[in-house]
Amino acid sequence: GENVEQHPSTLSVQEGDSAVIKCTYSDSASNYFPWYKQELGKGPQLIIDIRSNVGEKKDQRIAVTLNKTAKHFSLHITETQPEDSAVYFCAAKGDSGAGSYQLTFGKGTKLSVIP
Amino acid sequence: DVKVTQSSRYLVKRTGEKVFLECVQDMDHENMFWYRQDPGLGLRLIYFSYDVKMKEKGDIPEGYSVSREKKERFSLILESASTNQTSMYLCASTTDRQEAFFGQGTRLTVV
Repeated sequence: GENVEQHPSTLSVQEGDSAVIKCTYSDSASNYFPWYKQELGKGPQLIIDIRSNVGEKKDQRIAVTLNKTAKHFSLHITETQPEDSAVYFCAAKGDSGAGSYQLTFGKGTKLSVIP
Repeated sequence: DVKVTQSSRYLVKRTGEKVFLECVQDMDHENMFWYRQDPGLGLRLIYFSYDVKMKEKGDIPEGYSVSREKKERFSLILESASTNQTSMYLCASTTDRQEAFFGQGTRLTVV
């Protein structure tokens, strides 16, 4: 089945700096790659996603890039703010069998933005 | 807004008890999922359902069962709770584009 590795597990940045979180996946047939933000005491919330027919997608201060050849994708947050502090999860969705229904998640990155 | 509601935020149960965790979504989604979340392990899939009365095992189904009698409701059952099932449990439903919406989570403690 699919395996998703996420790095780093913790990340501290100064307010205003950029943050980058990277994920690799194993199943070359995967075609959907979302990112989730989980604030303390809440469930994960979708913040951005990318599908395998595009290489980059932006939404204000966040962007995601996808390299299908290398099987990795990354989340970029620019001009970080204290409210960006949270745990971020990447995920990948397979393309066949049970994998076409389920997302496989990375283990998460705890981002701390220092004012 | 899509809403996924889990019946309890916090639960404390005794070892050996039968435990029911309930999840309801209001967006007519076909697919529903139960995950458990543990520090350092991320989200691990327990069971999912792609239709009423249909269920599929995820990565860690041992010790759990599920029920989907109605499209909007997906229940997770711990037949005989054990201390190693102390965890945060998250329910999710997905759109036909696979965008997942999560509930707020149920923190279960088994003593």
